[in-house]
Amino acid sequence: EVQLVESGGGLVQPGRSLRLSCAASGFNFGDYAMHWVRQAPGKGLEWVSGISWNSGSLGYADSVKGRFTISRDNAKNSLYLQINSLRADDTAFYYCVKDVMMRWEPLEDNYLDYWGQGTLVTVSS
Amino acid sequence: SYELTQPPSLSVSPGQTARITCSGDALPKQYVYWFQQKPGQAPVLVILKDSVRPSGIPERFSGSSSGTTVTLTISGVQAEDEADYYCQSAGSSNTYYVFGSGTKVTVL
Repeated sequence: EVQLVESGGGLVQPGRSLRLSCAASGFNFGDYAMHWVRQAPGKGLEWVSGISWNSGSLGYADSVKGRFTISRDNAKNSLYLQINSLRADDTAFYYCVKDVMMRWEPLEDNYLDYWGQGTLVTVSS
Repeated sequence: SYELTQPPSLSVSPGQTARITCSGDALPKQYVYWFQQKPGQAPVLVILKDSVRPSGIPERFSGSSSGTTVTLTISGVQAEDEADYYCQSAGSSNTYYVFGSGTKVTVL
């Protein structure tokens, strides 16, 4: 059974940094691209970032470029998201999501199949 | 940036048919995926590549495509289908993923 468990969320002051983690199990983590998708409370879904199976290709939404860094450790079956210079509009649930392909780009055969339960990041002073 | 347009909400009686639309200029050339999200839960994929139902998804869920509009149809709606539904496709030049704003389906 595929399991994705996020951690690292919490209440953070504006301008500070945070590192989210996602522990994956139930599949060969190193064979698949992974993503982060966020959802502000009561709002819609927003794709944040994607990473290919070997970390060779990374992608970011324009809204987070320069502040967010996605990474992975295949030996630890883990996905990460480093968030710097946190702003109030970064407040959201952050979901770790598995792709069905090795590359993250939304090509013809790519799609998001399994989601974690999310971790809440609240940015407030 | 590229946008997908969904109606904010729709209400349907049990046993009736719900049709949720998703519109976007690039949809004739891009697949659409549909996710169901119930309160407090993570999204679940219910339709992939416009009309393919993943294993484990009830047959009452179906998808279709016509030009710039893709439709998720729930036939014989049940109370458990009350949820938010999001369409998702690819952004320009396949450089990002884009989600529709979501449709809240209420079962009366």
